[in-house]
Amino acid sequence: DAKTTQPPSMDCAEGRAANLPCNHSTISGNEYVYWYRQIHSQGPQYIIHGLKNNETNEMASLIITEDRKSSTLILPHATLRDTAVYYCIVRGTGSNTGKLIFGQGTTLQVKP
Amino acid sequence: NAGVTQTPKFQVLKTGQSMTLQCAQDMNHEYMSWYRQDPGMGLRLIHYSVGAGITDQGEVPNGYNVSRSTTEDFPLRLLSAAPSQTSVYFCASSKGRQGWSSGGAAEQFFGPGTRLTVL
Repeated sequence: DAKTTQPPSMDCAEGRAANLPCNHSTISGNEYVYWYRQIHSQGPQYIIHGLKNNETNEMASLIITEDRKSSTLILPHATLRDTAVYYCIVRGTGSNTGKLIFGQGTTLQVKP
Repeated sequence: NAGVTQTPKFQVLKTGQSMTLQCAQDMNHEYMSWYRQDPGMGLRLIHYSVGAGITDQGEVPNGYNVSRSTTEDFPLRLLSAAPSQTSVYFCASSKGRQGWSSGGAAEQFFGPGTRLTVL
């Protein structure tokens, strides 16, 4: 499975867009990019996933570069409740995809 | 739906004691798994199950047993607790085979966690 690299921390002003980058330069053709977040002391929360097209849901947008070597999670209007650790995970298809591998993630601090 | 539930929320054990952490889901998910999270670290996979009667080891299985007799329940047993097992334990579930080809197995729902201290 492809390794991911994320910045350890980022700040964002409340109400502004938060753009969280992730590098996955060794991603293979059938591997998806997933984003999770973990708000302090809670269980991780699934945000979004995608293969090669950009994706959007009620929580966020996922932009994947054309070569698929990097992606950006966008929280369009960050609020204080979005302060959390954000994890970028790459997994393939099939039953093994349930074996999530969490790295250190990016700690996003949303400031008033 | 209650989603993924875990009991107890908190537990203190003495070294050598055994106990079972309970996990249940009411979403008819085939895939269930257990993770542990140590302070300042990401989650690590302990055991997982792709369906009733089928379990397999994850990254850190030593000292833990699991069984999956029903789709709904996936208990985690600590055989002889050690201080190194002090951690927060999370259970997760995800959809079954119909979602695997589209990456659905990795869209997981997590429980609230069990905070375990072993003295």
